[in-house]
Amino acid sequence: SQQGEEDPQALSIQEGENATMNCSYKTSINNLQWYRQNSGRGLVHLILIRSNEREKHSGRLRVTLDTSKKSSSLLITASRAADTASYFCATLETSGSRLTFGEGTQLTVNP
Amino acid sequence: DTEVTQTPKHLVMGMTNKKSLKCEQHMGHRAMYWYKQKAKKPPELMFVYSYEKLSINESVPSRFSPECPNSSLLNLHLHALQPEDSALYLCASSQPYEKLFFGSGTQLSVL
Repeated sequence: SQQGEEDPQALSIQEGENATMNCSYKTSINNLQWYRQNSGRGLVHLILIRSNEREKHSGRLRVTLDTSKKSSSLLITASRAADTASYFCATLETSGSRLTFGEGTQLTVNP
Repeated sequence: DTEVTQTPKHLVMGMTNKKSLKCEQHMGHRAMYWYKQKAKKPPELMFVYSYEKLSINESVPSRFSPECPNSSLLNLHLHALQPEDSALYLCASSQPYEKLFFGSGTQLSVL
């Protein structure tokens, strides 16, 4: 069964705008990760935030984690057409073995 | 080398066939994974190998049989599949508690 839900399911924005995606999960976690997938092929890791961290940055990406609300958000700033993809959050259970994906957000960035 | 290599990229098989999917990594990762992904859905965990031993089997039907011959290789043996098993099969590897590196997947069609 899937761990989390993502919101929104689909997001369409113009180049240069910011995109925010949200993820909720149900159980205790070791860390939360965000992945990107183009055209149904392999997933690419974007960023990992541990359960004792609240915010993390990587280039144009900013991730927050609120373990009390069991939620995370991914912000992509100054979006580009090349950012068009599906974005998934994934939670690693505390045992460290099972990484479970949320439903994903389909992001479309229009030129 | 930061790649996970999956072969074949595409596979079409009949319900009576036996085939195998192969996955290879040379990053020294001690955990390897099989995920199944249907179109417009998130990846679903099937199996996890940790230090070459099967640590998680997500109640996958026995027509799917995983094998980890050594720390760099992961196979998925397929036998008597059903049309509903048609999907993208993704292999991944990681160090414990860290991000996953995914292969580009095998697109499987069962006729």
